[in-house]
Amino acid sequence: GIQVEQSPPDLILQEGANSTLRCNFSDSVNNLQWFHQNPWGQLINLFYIPSGTKQNGRLSATTVATERYSLLYISSSQTTDSGVYFCAVEPSGGSNYKLTFGKGTLLTVNP
Amino acid sequence: GAGVSQSPSNKVTEKGKDVELRCDPISGHTALYWYRQSLGQGLEFLIYFQGNSAPDKSGLPSDRFSAERTGGSVSTLTIQRTQQEDSAVYLCASSLGPRSYEQYFGPGTRLTVT
Repeated sequence: GIQVEQSPPDLILQEGANSTLRCNFSDSVNNLQWFHQNPWGQLINLFYIPSGTKQNGRLSATTVATERYSLLYISSSQTTDSGVYFCAVEPSGGSNYKLTFGKGTLLTVNP
Repeated sequence: GAGVSQSPSNKVTEKGKDVELRCDPISGHTALYWYRQSLGQGLEFLIYFQGNSAPDKSGLPSDRFSAERTGGSVSTLTIQRTQQEDSAVYLCASSLGPRSYEQYFGPGTRLTVT
């Protein structure tokens, strides 16, 4: 099946710093989503981005489908940005539309 | 509008007991998924429903696990004769359709088997 690798696995920042999270995937995809899992375990949708670039406030994401990677940018980080960030993909082809998740990046933003 | 809801939020059960977990998808969403999140395995797919089609059960870890979806809406995941390794957070997601649609997740049910 498709492989999804996220880096870095852990990231510690001071409030106000910027960061880039990366997601590499091993095959072509129909769907790529970025999620933030908050301390209560809820998966919050950040971006649906199988290709191209999107921005939402301090967050933006870029997916280069031909090179099989996606980047999530967090600017001016806040303590509320802490949590685990997951990349998940739906591979092209086949009949199962499940998402395959990476192992996540644990982000800690210190005040 | 309302998001995906799941109940109960927490469930503690004794080894060997059966449990039922419930998922209410977003109204109008035809696709429904169950995933499991555990420390050792990360987030993994369990089962997928689309409309009235036969479900895709390829992710179910054993025949103790089953799921149904009534009326194309509410879904129930049943685990029979629970084992300690079934302890995990069970997440439900729904989407407008089966392919290339954004999936939205519920808050999960944390299952602890003692």
